[in-house]
Amino acid sequence: AQKVTQAQTEISVVEKEDVTLDCVYETRDTTYYLFWYKQPPSGELVFLIRRNSFDEQNEISGRYSWNFQKSTSSFNFTITASQVVDSAVYFCALSGARGGFKTIFGAGTRLFVKA
Amino acid sequence: NAGVTQTPKFRILKIGQSMTLQCTQDMNHNYMYWYRQDPGMGLKLIYYSVGAGITDKGEVPNGYNVSRSTTEDFPLRLELAAPSQTSVYFCASRSSGAQPGFDSNQPQHFGDGTRLSIL
Repeated sequence: AQKVTQAQTEISVVEKEDVTLDCVYETRDTTYYLFWYKQPPSGELVFLIRRNSFDEQNEISGRYSWNFQKSTSSFNFTITASQVVDSAVYFCALSGARGGFKTIFGAGTRLFVKA
Repeated sequence: NAGVTQTPKFRILKIGQSMTLQCTQDMNHNYMYWYRQDPGMGLKLIYYSVGAGITDKGEVPNGYNVSRSTTEDFPLRLELAAPSQTSVYFCASRSSGAQPGFDSNQPQHFGDGTRLSIL
């Protein structure tokens, strides 16, 4: 069975602080994909990053960075110098070959960034 | 380019009524999905489709039906609405990637959602 755990339900930070959102996954597939999506207060879902199981390189995109570690089954997301506009719910998701690439979403982490 | 379009955006139903949530995409994606998002929760997969004529159940299919007669359209049907089906419903689609015969599981494109209340 596949599972995604986002243990942090809510995080509150002050603007310009760095914040890391944790994601731990379970899968028996050797080929799988991990995703992060953002859901701002307006409600739409916005894709942030996709990573396949064969690529453990960390990635940086502006203030966003992702740390993928297969040894600990984690795919953590860090926002550097957070801004109020980063306030949203962030979802980690997993899609494995054995499940026909159905996507399983974590419960989400709600991030509040205060000015 | 409209992407994924869902209609209606809001709907209130009475218990026992039926309705169809419409979803259409103009990106020629083979894969389409229906999710529900309950308040404060993540997305739960209801049904999905890997191409026209092919559908399969997700995590929470009870009380719903789908069809996929064309690549573009993937309607979700509620036959006997129940209060437990009060939720926000998202439709999504994705490509399998550019390489024929290989699914590289491209990111999903989501519609704006349908907020459904059953009273």
